[in-house]
Amino acid sequence: DAKTTQPNSMESNEEEPVHLPCNHSTISGTDYIHWYRQLPSQGPEYVIHGLTSNVNNRMASLAIAEDRKSSTLILHRATLRDAAVYYCILRATWMNRDDKIIFGKGTRLHILP
Amino acid sequence: EAGVTQFPSHSVIEKGQTVTLRCDPISGHDNLYWYRRVMGKEIKFLLHFVKESKQDESGMPNNRFLAERTGGTYSTLKVQPAELEDSGVYFCASSQESRTVQETQYFGPGTRLLVL
Repeated sequence: DAKTTQPNSMESNEEEPVHLPCNHSTISGTDYIHWYRQLPSQGPEYVIHGLTSNVNNRMASLAIAEDRKSSTLILHRATLRDAAVYYCILRATWMNRDDKIIFGKGTRLHILP
Repeated sequence: EAGVTQFPSHSVIEKGQTVTLRCDPISGHDNLYWYRRVMGKEIKFLLHFVKESKQDESGMPNNRFLAERTGGTYSTLKVQPAELEDSGVYFCASSQESRTVQETQYFGPGTRLLVL
């Protein structure tokens, strides 16, 4: 399985942007990059995903390196509610898919008021 | 629209007893998954149902765990007999079937199981 590497933890001030990095140097051409997060005492929730191009949604932006060996999840204006563990996950496309999600250790994001 | 629900939210049992966890997926979702996080470890996949059929049960730890999904709606996960190392948080997730893009999995809040 293609693996991802993330920092164990990060800190950010409230109302500032946060850039969460992820390395996936062994990514294959058919792997999508997904991000999920787990808020305290809740189940994981989907954040965003992309293949090659940068992606934006109401929760975050995903910046993907040109060689696809790394990506960055961007929270444009962090709030206390964004304190969570963020998981960067590779998932194969339909033809090569393995439906289960393989979670790593993730990055624990602390937001300082 | 109601999300994925799980029952109970917490369960404390003694070693050797039986516990049954229930998951109600989002209505219309054919895919149902069970995951768990045991103490200090990462979230691990247990199994995947497509409707009432087990698509992948490669993550089930041993034969003390039995998952069912009668009628392709809700699912139960029974642990019998429970052991100390079964303590952890059990998550259920569901998703629609998609033939074009990666389907998003929607997770429930989890059941916190403590085996004493």
